[in-house]
Amino acid sequence: DQQVKQNSPSLSVQEGRISILNCDYTNSMFDYFLWYKKYPAEGPTFLISISSIKDKNEDGRFTVFLNKSAKHLSLHIVPSQPGDSAVYFCAASTYSGNTPLVFGKGTRLSVIA
Amino acid sequence: EAGVAQSPRYKIIEKRQSVAFWCNPISGHATLYWYQQILGQGPKLLIQFQNNGVVDDSQLPKDRFSAERLKGVDSTLKIQPAKLEDSAVYLCASSLESISGGLAGGYNEQFFGPGTRLTVL
Repeated sequence: DQQVKQNSPSLSVQEGRISILNCDYTNSMFDYFLWYKKYPAEGPTFLISISSIKDKNEDGRFTVFLNKSAKHLSLHIVPSQPGDSAVYFCAASTYSGNTPLVFGKGTRLSVIA
Repeated sequence: EAGVAQSPRYKIIEKRQSVAFWCNPISGHATLYWYQQILGQGPKLLIQFQNNGVVDDSQLPKDRFSAERLKGVDSTLKIQPAKLEDSAVYLCASSLESISGGLAGGYNEQFFGPGTRLTVL
């Protein structure tokens, strides 16, 4: 039973355009959502997060949108750069300080120069 | 600041053999996690420690997997005996001690090590 779903295994975008990565979740108890980025042979690195009391969080080129009623979140990268090419994982947690993350399967983003 | 260290980076063993992985978290991080990432999947929690106590090991296959965190710092994860389906990347992560503050207080970011890629033949 997958509680966090990333239905697009891969995405290709031209450099300079917008990349939109989507994530759906089923557990209504999730309170906190994070995006991690992973390069080959490295561990995931934290990118951006959002709590359920917000519907948008922005950090430079990265913006995460949360639609609680639809149990959907998305990551927007504008403008996309070749260095953004990586696997992006959506993760969620039931907030209580330090709770484990539940990850989606990831979306491989390729930014083409 | 040094990151999460893991060793070995790669390990190849035969099925039914034993294997152990080591993790050194970021200094001062009280919480340590072991995740298993099978190819094509996202990381899945195996066990969570708070200092040297186990917080959550509900998804750890206890008949073959064991983990310890002596002295609340380094941790080892062991598989004995290994099965073919244990082939995966084993990720260690750490975070600061639990904080209160509700949703506006933020979430303790987890910092991941590079992982150990295990291949069971």
